[in-house]
Amino acid sequence: DAGVIQSPRHEVTEMGQEVTLRCKPISGHDYLFWYRQTMMRGLELLIYFNNNVPIDDSGMPEDRFSAKMPNASFSTLKIQPSEPRDSAVYFCASSRLRNTEAFFGQGTRLTVV
Amino acid sequence: GNSVTQMEGPVTLSEEAFLTINCTYTATGYPSLFWYVQYPGEGLQLLLKATKADDKGSNKGFEATYRKETTSFHLEKGSVQVSDSAVYFCALTRISGAGSYQLTFGKGTKLSVIP
Repeated sequence: DAGVIQSPRHEVTEMGQEVTLRCKPISGHDYLFWYRQTMMRGLELLIYFNNNVPIDDSGMPEDRFSAKMPNASFSTLKIQPSEPRDSAVYFCASSRLRNTEAFFGQGTRLTVV
Repeated sequence: GNSVTQMEGPVTLSEEAFLTINCTYTATGYPSLFWYVQYPGEGLQLLLKATKADDKGSNKGFEATYRKETTSFHLEKGSVQVSDSAVYFCALTRISGAGSYQLTFGKGTKLSVIP
């Protein structure tokens, strides 16, 4: 398996623009997580899905953030409108079962100028 | 709620030195515990894990023992190499009584090993 695949690897956008981050989890994994990593806050869980259904989105910072998982092989995280404070590395991860290891993608480095 | 506390970094060691990175957790019930490693420019990858009290996880010379009495999962390595330079994250997973699944990370500890 190719692992968790995220795109793009890098994104630079202007404040106010819409940004869409994409993730393809490992085939057969039932759980998908979106994390944000910054120097100040470390790794923050934004949202996670189980069998394509959002289970806990309490980490989503505000209404500008939204996430979808239309099928088992694809998820998106959208920021609209983007702000400079959204600059971070966003990771997607998937796992097969609860209480098992999560496999991470290589991340998307987002810079909002 | 659940939380993980790691020692503050950065940690700088000479090659072949002994490494300890402390990790303590707060969680009810019986969480599973993990150490992940992140190399520059990459995502996190699992280093080792332990799923019940007194279990010892080990991989690539690293070890950690699940200590329920002290709620700790300290990472150790007897002789570090330059290639071990990375950020190390302690993490736990737990299923709550309501069935919610939680995967919680510590803030990470940056390790630099110098020749």
